[in-house]
Amino acid sequence: QKEVEQNSGPLSVPEGAIASLNCTYSDRGSQSFFWYRQYSGKSPELIMFIYSNGDKEDGRFTAQLNKASQYVSLLIRDSQPSDSATYLCAVNIWISGSARQLTFGSGTQLTVLP
Amino acid sequence: GAVVSQHPSWVICKSGTSVKIECRSLDFQATTMFWYRQFPKQSLMLMATSNEGSKATYEQGVEKDKFLINHASLTLSTLTVTSAHPEDSSFYICSASLPYTGGYGYTFGSGTRLTVV
Repeated sequence: QKEVEQNSGPLSVPEGAIASLNCTYSDRGSQSFFWYRQYSGKSPELIMFIYSNGDKEDGRFTAQLNKASQYVSLLIRDSQPSDSATYLCAVNIWISGSARQLTFGSGTQLTVLP
Repeated sequence: GAVVSQHPSWVICKSGTSVKIECRSLDFQATTMFWYRQFPKQSLMLMATSNEGSKATYEQGVEKDKFLINHASLTLSTLTVTSAHPEDSSFYICSASLPYTGGYGYTFGSGTRLTVV
């Protein structure tokens, strides 16, 4: 069964700290990985995507991918109260032919305390 | 660019009635559209995948006769919830596969909050 699993949370960190969000996936054939942020009642918004093993940095966000361990993480440096949201890990899973679809993890709720 | 406009943003309907949700790609052609449902404090669950001009592919456990998906043009996909019941109350989100991304890029509609009373 193709699954994406995340820390159950909720996760609370003080303002200015590093928030670490983790995700594992079961399909070894997965090639692209996404982190979305979702505020309550809103649609997900893309934070980062990563294809290659290693780290990818964008501002305060760093995504880390380890395909051998089937593990992807998101680090948020200098966390701000505005970062408080649910973070969804998504994996692009091959279905058939050239068809792919995003499969989402259950999400981790992050609260940044002022 | 690459915006998907979803309407309505919220709707309240009586049990037994039908509700149509529209998703339009404004500045690109959406050959593939995905429909998700999200219950409170849960993640997005894929309901179906629709390709322009062909029948939608439904995920296991999703009733295709209840959730009618039409993707008749490259810029419009609709989801109709037929004979809605309170258990269908949920947040429905469409997502389009972006062109020129090799199937790796997606954009999401703003979502529709459906409440069935």
